[in-house]
Amino acid sequence: RKEVEQDPGPFNVPEGATVAFNCTYSNSASQSFFWYRQDCRKEPKLLMSVYSSGNEDGRFTAQLNRASQYISLLIRDSKLSDSATYLCVVNTNAGKSTFGDGTTLTVKP
Amino acid sequence: ETGVTQTPRHLVMGMTNKKSLKCEQHLGHNAMYWYKQSAKKPLELMFVYNFKEQTENNSVPSRFSPECPNSSHLFLHLHTLQPEDSALYLCASSRKMGGSRNEKLFFGSGTQLSVL
Repeated sequence: RKEVEQDPGPFNVPEGATVAFNCTYSNSASQSFFWYRQDCRKEPKLLMSVYSSGNEDGRFTAQLNRASQYISLLIRDSKLSDSATYLCVVNTNAGKSTFGDGTTLTVKP
Repeated sequence: ETGVTQTPRHLVMGMTNKKSLKCEQHLGHNAMYWYKQSAKKPLELMFVYNFKEQTENNSVPSRFSPECPNSSHLFLHLHTLQPEDSALYLCASSRKMGGSRNEKLFFGSGTQLSVL
């Protein structure tokens, strides 16, 4: 079993749709969580950290469920520019980062 | 710009060539990483340096040789590569490994490597 698992998709949605991605992790000692975004043939970039109480940044909402070892990312009012691969990242207490394989999103006009 | 600079952006090399990839970070970080990403595949961690000391080598073949002369610079020396080594090679940095759990990674733009 992979340490960090994501639904690879692809998710194909129309502009304006709401889409949610899920991520599960196996290491119960994991301490911090992030979502990164990666455009085709480019480097991953930090989208947002994920906090225990849940957090929101504009159209993006991240949530964490420690009991179920589950992270989610919700994108509201999808834009064409949201098309990318979204990577779930989990850090251990030692600071080691483990990446999920990514979920591909395509937003269509 | 993330503050992590990689050169070259693109590299084509033959299997008998020797080349080096360079990474420099201007963020005052102490941990640096090499990742490999083959086409349509997930990121693979190759090497980790923390305060110039190599702390992780993920069973990478010896034809890849990392070098970290100081906390700001990281090299990946390439020698007698195979066509299957063609991939995007990404450098990243973070404040440090260990001691703080909330370390974010900052990536360079990567080197797209083609081995002929």
